[in-house]
Amino acid sequence: QSVLTQPPSASGTPGQRVTISCFGSSSNIGSNYVYWYQQLPGTAPKLLIYRNNQRPSGVPDRFSVSKSGTSASLAISGLRSEDEADYFCGGWDDSLSGWVFGGGTKLTVL
Amino acid sequence: EVQLVESGGGLVQSGGSLRLSCAASGFTFSTYAIDWVRQAPGKGLERVSAISGGADSTYYADSVKGRFTISRDNSKNTVYLQMNSLRAEDTAVYYCAKGDVSGIRHYFDHWGQGTLVTVSS
Repeated sequence: QSVLTQPPSASGTPGQRVTISCFGSSSNIGSNYVYWYQQLPGTAPKLLIYRNNQRPSGVPDRFSVSKSGTSASLAISGLRSEDEADYFCGGWDDSLSGWVFGGGTKLTVL
Repeated sequence: EVQLVESGGGLVQSGGSLRLSCAASGFTFSTYAIDWVRQAPGKGLERVSAISGGADSTYYADSVKGRFTISRDNSKNTVYLQMNSLRAEDTAVYYCAKGDVSGIRHYFDHWGQGTLVTVSS
């Protein structure tokens, strides 16, 4: 049981906009930054979004994040086949004094 | 370019030991924390252990506390994870991940390719 809750799966067709949610609590998302990682099939995770909505160099602006209260959503616009991957949210939890991850969402591009 | 290369994984019997290594390059090693994050087959990510840049602070998940020991040799740009009393539930790909700062409270900005640890019962 992960501290951060994500839907196990999501899907969309090329060109569509899809969102992936991440639900937490006041001790994590509600009071700290949210981060997102993309894990392409058979590869290591890669930082996708940091400090709520910042993109590392090389990450296209098709990826964006909105955050409200104790939840956050990753939005992918103009969906492409190469976006098919697992997406994990994460962040610091003050109550646990440690890092927590969501269980991950498998995105399928139909 | 930041590079993290893990090694030392393999097949070990329950109760056995392994030592993982993470060799780093492309950044000033001693000024950044390094973590071990694992992923069991078909499962999510779990932060296992972390060590600050100066090795003055460490973190262990409850699931490995007392069995795993993290250390680093800043002269060799390498972090180690000594894993003792291994259990079947420790079976996972172990990733080395670089923190964005020296302290234990950080996010992971770069990851290695991972090394597979399989514990047979």
